[in-house]
Amino acid sequence: GQQLNQSPQSMFIQEGEDVSMNCTSSSIFNTWLWYKQDPGEGPVLLIALYKAGELTSNGRLTAQFGITRKDSFLNISASIPSDVGIYFCAGQNGNSGGSNYKLTFGKGTLLTVNP
Amino acid sequence: GAGVSQSPSNKVTEKGKDVELRCDPISGHTALYWYRQSLGQGLEFLIYFQGNSAPDKSGLPSDRFSAERTGGSVSTLTIQRTQQEDSAVYLCASSNYAGEAFFGQGTRLTVV
Repeated sequence: GQQLNQSPQSMFIQEGEDVSMNCTSSSIFNTWLWYKQDPGEGPVLLIALYKAGELTSNGRLTAQFGITRKDSFLNISASIPSDVGIYFCAGQNGNSGGSNYKLTFGKGTLLTVNP
Repeated sequence: GAGVSQSPSNKVTEKGKDVELRCDPISGHTALYWYRQSLGQGLEFLIYFQGNSAPDKSGLPSDRFSAERTGGSVSTLTIQRTQQEDSAVYLCASSNYAGEAFFGQGTRLTVV
């Protein structure tokens, strides 16, 4: 089946620094999603991308849908302590027939922010 | 409801017993997903529903696992004869045709 390679596995940064993480796939996706998970909670949707080349921002977060549809990155600018958590990318291949919208997840990036 | 609701939030069961985990998706969402997450691990796909049918159940680990969805809404994940390796957080998500999937808080299952 489809696999997503997410990197890095973990990051340890100082407050105020910018961070970048990315996901790559051997096959194309029609939708890319980025989630954040805090301890003991379910993942929370941060950004959704629907078009190849699309660049979308949500506050200090910026994500891009790669032009080849096989990759996506997430940037966090001016990190703060509450950015700590696990970030997951997910790809989806919904088709026009509406019969299959399976989500495939990366293994996550653990972000630690040192105050 | 406003979000995806899962119950119970925590479940401790004895090895060999059956358990049922429930998911109430966001109203109107046609797609529903079950994932499993072991401590410190990523999300392991279990099964996906579109309406009441399951186009993809390839992630169910064994025939002890089953899931159903009725009325295009509530879903139940059943684990029979639980084993210690079944201990994990079971996460449910639902999505609309736009593809944005929203997760519940999960059910933490502990098999002792």
